[in-house]
Amino acid sequence: DAGVIQSPRHEVTEMGQEVTLRCKPISGHNSLFWYRQTMMRGLELLIYFNNNVPIDDSGMPEDRFSAKMPNASFSTLKIQPSEPRDSAVYFCASSRQVVSGNTIYFGEGSWLTVV
Amino acid sequence: AQKVTQAQTEISVVEKEDVTLDCVYETRDTTYYLFWYKQPPSGELVFLIRRNSFDEQNEISGRYSWNFQKSTSSFNFTITASQVVDSAVYFCALSEALETSGSRLTFGEGTQLTVNP
Repeated sequence: DAGVIQSPRHEVTEMGQEVTLRCKPISGHNSLFWYRQTMMRGLELLIYFNNNVPIDDSGMPEDRFSAKMPNASFSTLKIQPSEPRDSAVYFCASSRQVVSGNTIYFGEGSWLTVV
Repeated sequence: AQKVTQAQTEISVVEKEDVTLDCVYETRDTTYYLFWYKQPPSGELVFLIRRNSFDEQNEISGRYSWNFQKSTSSFNFTITASQVVDSAVYFCALSEALETSGSRLTFGEGTQLTVNP
């Protein structure tokens, strides 16, 4: 079975540009998560969806960040305009049920560099 | 609030040594789940194990073993006869029950394990 698929794997962009990260969760999973990993803050949850509905976006750092899940098999995380401090690895993850403790599986990450 | 602490930032061992990675957690939930993930140099996060709060039985999987002790709020991970391929960052994580629905992970800071030949 395919795992969580993220694109692009690597992106280098200039400050001020729009960045869109994409994610396809594991088929049959109905919870989707976006995490960010930095050296300073470690792994932090940005937002998560259940059944395509955003449940908690309190981790989204600023209004420059937005996330959507138009259907069960696709989600985007957009940064507009991007800034150098947004440079990080962005992980998408999914899990099967809306129940505490179900295993969350991660994609390979999108490595973003904003110069 | 949930919290996971991995006090060991870096550990360096020689191949074939045993190594234990410590994890201490804080939660007010009576039902919770603990996880370990591995992040090799290639960057992906690989799921290793999940353990619920009602099951304190230790688990062994090949060279990996996990010791869950509720009394000390610890969930330690031991690699026996370490190998160079075990070199990675290892994260301990806690799943919290949310009022709205669903679950999310709170991660520790990670332990960088280096196994030298």
